[in-house]
Amino acid sequence: AQSVSQHNHHVILSEAASLELGCNYSYGGTVNLFWYVQYPGQHLQLLLKYFSGDPLVKGIKGFEAEFIKSKFSFNLRKPSVQWSDTAEYFCAVITMNSGYSTLTFGKGTMLLVSP
Amino acid sequence: DTGVSQNPRHKITKRGQNVTFRCDPISEHNRLYWYRQTLGQGPEFLTYFQNEAQLEKSRLLSDRFSAERPKGSFSTLEIQRTEQGDSAMYLCASSLATGVHEQYFGPGTRLTVT
Repeated sequence: AQSVSQHNHHVILSEAASLELGCNYSYGGTVNLFWYVQYPGQHLQLLLKYFSGDPLVKGIKGFEAEFIKSKFSFNLRKPSVQWSDTAEYFCAVITMNSGYSTLTFGKGTMLLVSP
Repeated sequence: DTGVSQNPRHKITKRGQNVTFRCDPISEHNRLYWYRQTLGQGPEFLTYFQNEAQLEKSRLLSDRFSAERPKGSFSTLEIQRTEQGDSAMYLCASSLATGVHEQYFGPGTRLTVT
């Protein structure tokens, strides 16, 4: 079965610092990859997604992620974080194993941005 | 608001009681998913429907759990004889059915079993 691992459970940054959150998945076939974000008190929202094509995908609020197939990775980046980026970030994958239907999530990374 | 809605938002129940949660998906979405999230974990898949058909169930879904989507619109998730280990956030999501589509999540129902 596929799995997703997120390298850091908690990250603390100052405003304007650069962000990179690691995500690796285990599955040898075709994958569709997602980053979801959950702001305090709000529901899960899609940040960005990769289905095919350009492995560098851009999402909302200045976030981007790069799919590196050889490394089974889909790391999330932002050049300069803001206090409002404080949230929990989840990497997720859909695979043929799941019939291209169900999401497998990582455990999440809590990001705290100090002003 | 045209997003996914869930009711109730919070439920506190005593061990052994039955509880039922409701999810209303985005109206044009014919896929509906249930996930469970516990503290420090990401959401874990429980089951999903395409229209009224329940197409997949996780092994996490014990026989105390049952989900329905009788008319292909809203769905209910019932837990019978609740246990303390059932305490979690229960999330509902919906998506279009054709191809791979992003899933839109509701706010969740937080269940506390005392």
